[in-house]
Amino acid sequence: KNEVEQSPQNLTAQEGEFITINCSYSVGISALHWLQQHPGGGIVSLFMLSSGKKKHGRLIATINIQEKHSSLHITASHPRDSAVYICRGGADGLTFGKGTHLIIQP
Amino acid sequence: DGGITQSPKYLFRKEGQNVTLSCEQNLNHDAMYWYRQDPGQGLRLIYYSQIVNDFQKGDIAEGYSVSREKKESFPLTVTSAQKNPTAFYLCASTPQRVGKNIQYFGAGTRLSVL
Repeated sequence: KNEVEQSPQNLTAQEGEFITINCSYSVGISALHWLQQHPGGGIVSLFMLSSGKKKHGRLIATINIQEKHSSLHITASHPRDSAVYICRGGADGLTFGKGTHLIIQP
Repeated sequence: DGGITQSPKYLFRKEGQNVTLSCEQNLNHDAMYWYRQDPGQGLRLIYYSQIVNDFQKGDIAEGYSVSREKKESFPLTVTSAQKNPTAFYLCASTPQRVGKNIQYFGAGTRLSVL
């Protein structure tokens, strides 16, 4: 059983919509990471969270340690945000969610 | 520029053949990792190394082998024992043992079977 679960698996939205991607984990972690995988396959790190909330441009990540849950939000979504968003956690920090495939249509 | 270089970008394997995927980093990171990604699945850990001349099996090590003779290099060999090698392979590194550390990824190698 994967210790890190993401939802939804797939998400299609219109440009400008507010996007929320969820990540739940079953074991305590020291930090949770959000990553973005581009259509070509390259992966970049977006956020590392131990508590609270972080913001970078139109991206916001939150984490609730008690509920073992994190969310990634995208405000004013744009077609260039289309990518796979992945959360990473687990007791050893090496467990990845299956990813959320996001498509933003113009 | 510092980073992780994976080569080749595309690789084809014949039946019964061993193939080696290259991963080089100039970030001076101690720890390096190999992951396999299949459609609809999360990244799965094949092997990782926290220091030169030492490496540990991940969740799906069967049919794969690695070496870590130099800090900068962590090649992955897909052996003929790996019966379903078609996948996207990603190499990553962290300054030290992962946990809180951010992982830096290479661009990946897409392996297919002829």
